[in-house]
Amino acid sequence: DADVTQTPRNRITKTGKRIMLECSQTKGHDRMYWYRQDPGLGLRLIYYSFDVKDINKGEISDGYSVSRQAQAKFSLSLESAIPNQTALYFCATSDGQGTQPQHFGDGTRLSIL
Amino acid sequence: AQRVTQPEKLLSVFKGAPVELKCNYSYSGSPELFWYVQYSRQRLQLLLRHISRESIKGFTADLNKGETSFHLKKPFAQEEDSAMYYCALSGGSYKLIFGSGTRLLVRP
Repeated sequence: DADVTQTPRNRITKTGKRIMLECSQTKGHDRMYWYRQDPGLGLRLIYYSFDVKDINKGEISDGYSVSRQAQAKFSLSLESAIPNQTALYFCATSDGQGTQPQHFGDGTRLSIL
Repeated sequence: AQRVTQPEKLLSVFKGAPVELKCNYSYSGSPELFWYVQYSRQRLQLLLRHISRESIKGFTADLNKGETSFHLKKPFAQEEDSAMYYCALSGGSYKLIFGSGTRLLVRP
């Protein structure tokens, strides 16, 4: 299902460039999340948002920023990309009632040269 | 601090053998625990959660608060079970803390 859509799916860029990764969802969920996945480290939370006016840092927010433009859209920006930000990035959503399972997008593979 | 530990990076078994993927957590309150699975070339998806107490694709997991564990078990592994498995903890803030994952390889 394509109800959590991430764009682009792959991106190669150079050190110092500004990059934006986008996530949109049709599930009607209030909560949205950005993670990065690195081999041997699992998924680590970068930022999360519980509604349009709410933005919270996760465990590894340095070097990243986010924007919640609407309930359905949550974008992640790397202001000045560096090679150690090379990773697989996932967006996820969840319903706003209690603790609910998260639904993931397909991921964006980002390589910074 | 909240933490999830999956001690095995890789677990390799033969088809039909029992499987146990270990997960230990650290959390002082009442946790909610989940297992997520990522099959090759597919997105991460929920496999099961402890409050449901259900069996999905033959997998079960029991929360043991005394041992702070939530191990995933299946009595007879199938080749299609080969995937990456992540244990995750929610400590009341609606965020998930993920373990580092275990790759399960089921050989024919």
